[in-house]
Amino acid sequence: SYVVTQPPSVSVAPGKTASITCGGNNIGRKSVHWYQQKPGQAPVVVIYHDSDRPSGIPERFSGSNSGNTATLTISSVGAGDEADYYCQVWDSSSDEYVFGTGTKVTVI
Amino acid sequence: QVQLVQSGAEVKKPGSSVKVSCKASGGIFTNYGFSWVRQAPGEGLEWMGVIIPIFGTTNYPQKFRGRFTITADKSTSTAYMELSSLRSEDTAVYYCARVGDYGASHNFDHWGPGTLVTVSS
Repeated sequence: SYVVTQPPSVSVAPGKTASITCGGNNIGRKSVHWYQQKPGQAPVVVIYHDSDRPSGIPERFSGSNSGNTATLTISSVGAGDEADYYCQVWDSSSDEYVFGTGTKVTVI
Repeated sequence: QVQLVQSGAEVKKPGSSVKVSCKASGGIFTNYGFSWVRQAPGEGLEWMGVIIPIFGTTNYPQKFRGRFTITADKSTSTAYMELSSLRSEDTAVYYCARVGDYGASHNFDHWGPGTLVTVSS
């Protein structure tokens, strides 16, 4: 089945930019979605279809996808952005939804 | 606004079954698919399956076929998941999540709050 990998953790200083990667074989040919999960809460979609933002999600959140890597970028990071972030794709060959391993973002 | 309201926490014995409900409001139930995603303590998200109520179709990853069933009641806009032959490794928070475009969007635009299922003797 399709495998998607993420770095376990990313640390970023307040006000700086965090980049979270999501790697998979030719992932650029798939649609990638990103979810933010804060402790004790359900996930929330922050980017869908590679780079679209749902209403209510700040413009600081952006996404891109090309080749073997998709990237979620969070600019002007603040303490409220500390969370786990998961990428997700749908693998058409197996007709299965696949989540990445998750990345913990820490604001230092 | 869209709400997915899930049933309450459960404590089950190994070998038993559990059934969790997810009642949807704020949209036309049959316009969407409904998936179940679980998260074991300290672990990541794991997709368990999806139902498309308007078609009555389901899809499960190989790992859960035979032991996991998703159903939907269109009259009450409620999706259900049932997991049988429970073992300690099934202890997790179980989320229902909505999939847009009759299930064709393949992303989860709204999530329920989660239901903790604890399997313990």
